[in-house]
Amino acid sequence: DTGVSQNPRHKITKRGQNVTFRCDPISEHNRLYWYRQTLGQGPEFLTYFQNEAQLEKSRLLSDRFSAERPKGSFSTLEIQRTEQGDSAMYLCASSSLGVREKLFFGSGTQLSVL
Amino acid sequence: ILNVEQSPQSLHVQEGDSTNFTCSFPSSNFYALHWYRWETAKSPEALFVMTLNGDEKKKGRISATLNTKEGYSYLYIKGSQPEDSATYLCASLNNNAGNMLTFGGGTRLMVKP
Repeated sequence: DTGVSQNPRHKITKRGQNVTFRCDPISEHNRLYWYRQTLGQGPEFLTYFQNEAQLEKSRLLSDRFSAERPKGSFSTLEIQRTEQGDSAMYLCASSSLGVREKLFFGSGTQLSVL
Repeated sequence: ILNVEQSPQSLHVQEGDSTNFTCSFPSSNFYALHWYRWETAKSPEALFVMTLNGDEKKKGRISATLNTKEGYSYLYIKGSQPEDSATYLCASLNNNAGNMLTFGGGTRLMVKP
């Protein structure tokens, strides 16, 4: 068990560019979550996968955001046409029993949009 | 959207002091309450998940209580150590929210040696 892995750790991009982040969950976990955290705020839910199915998506999530988990293992989060307001820490978490039990988080990807 | 509040926002204590923080959440349709510790440059780490009114959980010097009827949870740290310095996050789940945990803004604890 190597924990939840996220890449890259840091990403600096110019406004208008597309970015993609990757999350590798704990191998036996079938549930995967994406959260976003901005300075001074708690993590905000973005989306949830059970195996390869995206079952929940925040209504606050712009159409510029898309997430996939094609084989029910790793997941990618893509942001198209980035804006300065997208600058945040993007956290991935996984679990085997859902949110009735604890989530295991990665270290996050810090995005800075210039 | 749930409103989960944590207080204080930040806290400075001396090594050896005991301290506590508060997490307030909507009591209606409550399902579960999570506590996490997030040290700088590391991953958030789960401390407790509580579901029943009156639950008390303990992990070393850290303990937590839960009151679902009035919508609050306390986190206690006994004899704070510098390695306890971190942001402590609580998150609430209600029955209507599916798998969407709602986090509070966190309490940032700094323990001075």
